[in-house]
Amino acid sequence: GAVVSQHPSWVICKSGTSVKIECRSLDFQATTMFWYRQFPKQSLMLMATSNEGSKATYEQGVEKDKFLINHASLTLSTLTVTSAHPEDSSFYICSARRGLRESNEQFFGPGTRLTVL
Amino acid sequence: SQQGEEDPQALSIQEGENATMNCSYKTSINNLQWYRQNSGRGLVHLILIRSNEREKHSGRLRVTLDTSKKSSSLLITASRAADTASYFCATTQGAQKLVFGQGTRLTINP
Repeated sequence: GAVVSQHPSWVICKSGTSVKIECRSLDFQATTMFWYRQFPKQSLMLMATSNEGSKATYEQGVEKDKFLINHASLTLSTLTVTSAHPEDSSFYICSARRGLRESNEQFFGPGTRLTVL
Repeated sequence: SQQGEEDPQALSIQEGENATMNCSYKTSINNLQWYRQNSGRGLVHLILIRSNEREKHSGRLRVTLDTSKKSSSLLITASRAADTASYFCATTQGAQKLVFGQGTRLTINP
């Protein structure tokens, strides 16, 4: 159990277009999901925390109008990169927390590689 | 946000040898976790050690935690080629979010 999927696994788009990435918890309900960004050979940087039914909480320096997050149900959160530019090219990873306790484990998706031309 | 530091940044050893990776952090923590990431993939949770624990084992993995030094180590014994990956420590600092270290890229040579 505790499987998290992401779709698509990779995407190539032209500069100026918007890209939507989906994160789904397949066999559990996730009240909280997290979105991370990872540049090559670097660590994961938390972008935002997404709670079902409420607005996402963005980390300092992350533009909320650039990276739109919607957590519409207990099993789905989406990240939309609006007006993407080459510097947005990165590996985006989501995670989902099962349960309400802060100590509950996060389960990570396989990631989405975004390349903006 | 504060991040942990890991050393070494890269480690290359022969199959069968033990691999030790270290992680340091800056603030008080609730727990510390270790993750593995194969190239271009998501993260796999390896082990969690709570702030009141000093050592934990899971199969070929051994994790230690020294809260006085704000450091942790991950030991992989009898390494295998399949252990080649990047390893990250992550701390939970009060709030619900994880803060990741810079990672160690481990290469196991056959």
